[in-house]
Amino acid sequence: ETAVFQTPNYHVTQVGNEVSFNCKQTLGHDTMYWYKQDSKKLLKIMFSYNNKQLIVNETVPRRFSPQSSDKAHLNLRIKSVEPEDSAVYLCASSSTGPDTQYFGPGTRLLVL
Amino acid sequence: GQQVQQSPASLVLQEGENAELQCNFSSTATQLQWFYQSPGGSLVSLLSNPSGTKHTGRLTSTTVTKERRSSLHISSSQTTDSGTYLCAMDQGGRALIFGTGTTVSVSP
Repeated sequence: ETAVFQTPNYHVTQVGNEVSFNCKQTLGHDTMYWYKQDSKKLLKIMFSYNNKQLIVNETVPRRFSPQSSDKAHLNLRIKSVEPEDSAVYLCASSSTGPDTQYFGPGTRLLVL
Repeated sequence: GQQVQQSPASLVLQEGENAELQCNFSSTATQLQWFYQSPGGSLVSLLSNPSGTKHTGRLTSTTVTKERRSSLHISSSQTTDSGTYLCAMDQGGRALIFGTGTTVSVSP
């Protein structure tokens, strides 16, 4: 099956903890992305990663960091979560250039 | 900055009715994508249409690039069409910029 896979589906944690979310795509794409969807359902880009080049949205706090072992994997680590990090995190992939992006099912994070 | 505006914000339909969703963007787009997000949250790509007209099933998208607008027409709506429709643009291989969505509710 070719798609974008994310784990976990759902994660509950406490303020100050570290969390890590996984994303894998089997579509043969060379660009991957992380988006955040907040409580108002607005989707915003956090990172894009292509051929080891990381493009960071300047509004993303430093406690967030992407981690990639190869072009099929892009994980997201949050060093010390805060309540405003509660959201759905969506991973996506595409070929280089203005190509269709395909999304994973998302990871819902709840910070208590 | 770059903006994507969608209208209407919400739409209520009787099953069988048609609907037209609008998307306006503030700068030239090299990619324009329509998504469906189910009430459960999963995001599905419906159409990629940077210019012209494209069809898939009961959906038709028309994008007029120089006027910076795109529309999504849903014909013969069904209750399973209920959800949020998102428009997103890309300015040349970078990340998508999303609109705020149109929430569609189709009643039997």
